[in-house]
Parts: sequence; structure tokens; C-alpha cells
Amino acid sequence: NAGVTQTPKFQVLKTGQSMTLQCAQDMNHNSMYWYRQDPGMGLRLIYYSASEGTTDKGEVPNGYNVSRLNKREFSLRLESAAPSQTSVYFCASSGRIAGGFNEQYFGPGTRLTVT
Amino acid sequence: QKEVEQNSGPLSVPEGAIASLNCTYSDRVSQSFFWYRQYSGKSPELIMSIYSNGDKEDGRFTAQLNKASQYVSLLIRDSQPSDSATYLCAAPQGGSEKLVFGKGTKLTVNP
Repeated sequence: NAGVTQTPKFQVLKTGQSMTLQCAQDMNHNSMYWYRQDPGMGLRLIYYSASEGTTDKGEVPNGYNVSRLNKREFSLRLESAAPSQTSVYFCASSGRIAGGFNEQYFGPGTRLTVT
Repeated sequence: QKEVEQNSGPLSVPEGAIASLNCTYSDRVSQSFFWYRQYSGKSPELIMSIYSNGDKEDGRFTAQLNKASQYVSLLIRDSQPSDSATYLCAAPQGGSEKLVFGKGTKLTVNP
């Protein structure tokens, strides 16, 4: 059971380049999330998906697009990278436990630098 | 935007002491609360979930929830240098699955 996996682990982009961050989970969770973490700002939600085929904006969606390819996979795309998107990106997934509550589990992260 | 506030820290305790981490939240609808531990350069790891008023114990960790005061805490007994990390408190946003995270408290346990 790998949990939540992310690729790549590190990436350096030039301003204006595009890339897709990949995320997959093997916990049969319905919900998946993309966060970014910046010093002093904490974890901020970019997009989330409550189920296959649905996505919703979070706190900081500008400059990003997402695709929920199937139940397992949720990708994050930067169409035209900007230095302000230099950050650590985390994918997470959550599923209901006994009592009806959700617990979120995180992937290892992608460190992205935009020059 | 509902908020989750944590002591900004950093917090430093000697090995073997009790470390106390605190969190307040603004959304009265929240029913579940989570503590994550994040080592430097690593991803957040869920260490405690609490859903009802009172205490929940798991090994050296105790989470305490007071819904009336909108306050949740994490106590770490017999602190070890390996507990040195940033601890994040999180609560659901309204009745949704989305979590709002505090900015974290950095804990250092000195040998």
C-alpha cells in the first residue's frame, strides 16, 4: 500500500514554461486535494475534487488547472509558470472513517522552482 | 474564510518534559480536529484526530478538545528529540471535507 504518491519530486522551470504534477492514491478515497506550502503562509488549498469528474476551486486557484482523471489520479497543471508559483506542492486524499469523519493523508510533495 | 490559529512559537522544551501545543478555531460548526506533524523537508503526517469533547490519548500524545471554548490542544509527554518538528492543527471548513490549517508551531526538544 503506497498511500499517496506524487511525481516529480523536484522540478525547475523557466518563466512561461508549462508542466503537470501527477498524484495517485491507492486507498480508494473519493476526495483528493492539491495544496501549496510557502514559508509564513502555511498550507493553502489550490483545488480539490470530491469525486471522479468533479473539481472545485480552493483558496489560491489562479494560474492552475486540475484534472481528476479517475478515482485514483488527480493532476495539477501550470500552463505558464511564474516565479510566484515557486513552492512546495502537496497532494492529499481523504476518505470517510467510522463516525462519518474524513481523514486526509498527504503525498511526499513536489518542490518546484520557477526562475 | 474560517480561521485556525496556533501559537506562533517556536517552542523549546528539554528532553523528558511535556510539550503543550494550542490551537483555536473560529468555525463553531467544526466537529472534527486534526493534528499533523511535519518534519523539515517532509510532508504533513496525521498523528491525532479528535471528534468529541474531552481527551484522547495515543501513546505519549494526548489531544484535548473543548468545543465551547473552540480550543484544541496537543500534549506530548516525555518529549524526545525525535519529536522536534512543526505541528499543524487543522479543522474542516464549515461542513465540508476541506480542511483549514493553522500556520504551525515549531517544536524543538533539546537533549
